[in-house]
Amino acid sequence: QITLKESGPTLVKPTQTLTLTCTCSGFSLTASGMGVGWLRQSPGEAPEWLALIYWDDDRRYSPSLKNRLTITRDTSKNLVVLTVSNVSPLDTGTYYCARGSVLGFHVWGPGTTVSVSS
Amino acid sequence: SYELTQSPSVSVSPGQTVSITCSGHKLEDKYACWYQQRPGQSPLLLIHQHNRRPSGIPERFSGSTSGNTATLTISGTQSMDEADYYCQAWDSSTVVFGGGTRLTVL
Repeated sequence: QITLKESGPTLVKPTQTLTLTCTCSGFSLTASGMGVGWLRQSPGEAPEWLALIYWDDDRRYSPSLKNRLTITRDTSKNLVVLTVSNVSPLDTGTYYCARGSVLGFHVWGPGTTVSVSS
Repeated sequence: SYELTQSPSVSVSPGQTVSITCSGHKLEDKYACWYQQRPGQSPLLLIHQHNRRPSGIPERFSGSTSGNTATLTISGTQSMDEADYYCQAWDSSTVVFGGGTRLTVL
């Protein structure tokens, strides 16, 4: 069974760096064809794609946020990490990791809620 | 930047068929997919690559795309289908979501 679970701080101060971890199980991060992405969602809004790391370590970022995002992975621990630098209240929301590709995200984690406030 | 447009809401009676549309420039070239999101839950992939249904998704969900419009059709709608529905596509390696359509089952 494929599962993903997000973890990280629930509260971050403006200008700080947010680090989120996605713990993956039931599949290998190096399995051909798929990747793990990060998405976020504010209440009442559509999901917003942030970043994606493919099985071959190819990395893609949302053009509007790419200067603040870094996606990495630890294949030995089956983890994918997203950092968001210089956060502001606009970065408040629920952050999801999901397995898939630009063609669709097949399995999503339960999400983790992050608030940015001083 | 690429945009996907959805109607904000649609309603249907139980047992009836409903279509939810998503429009974007040359969408048929961009492998549209569809998600269902119930309140308090993560999105669930219903359709990918225009019309492919992942295992475990009921056959009453189907998808199609022609020209600039992708359509999600729910046949024999059930009360459990009441949710938000989002389309998604990719353009120049960027993932784009529509604004979502709230389906109400009356």
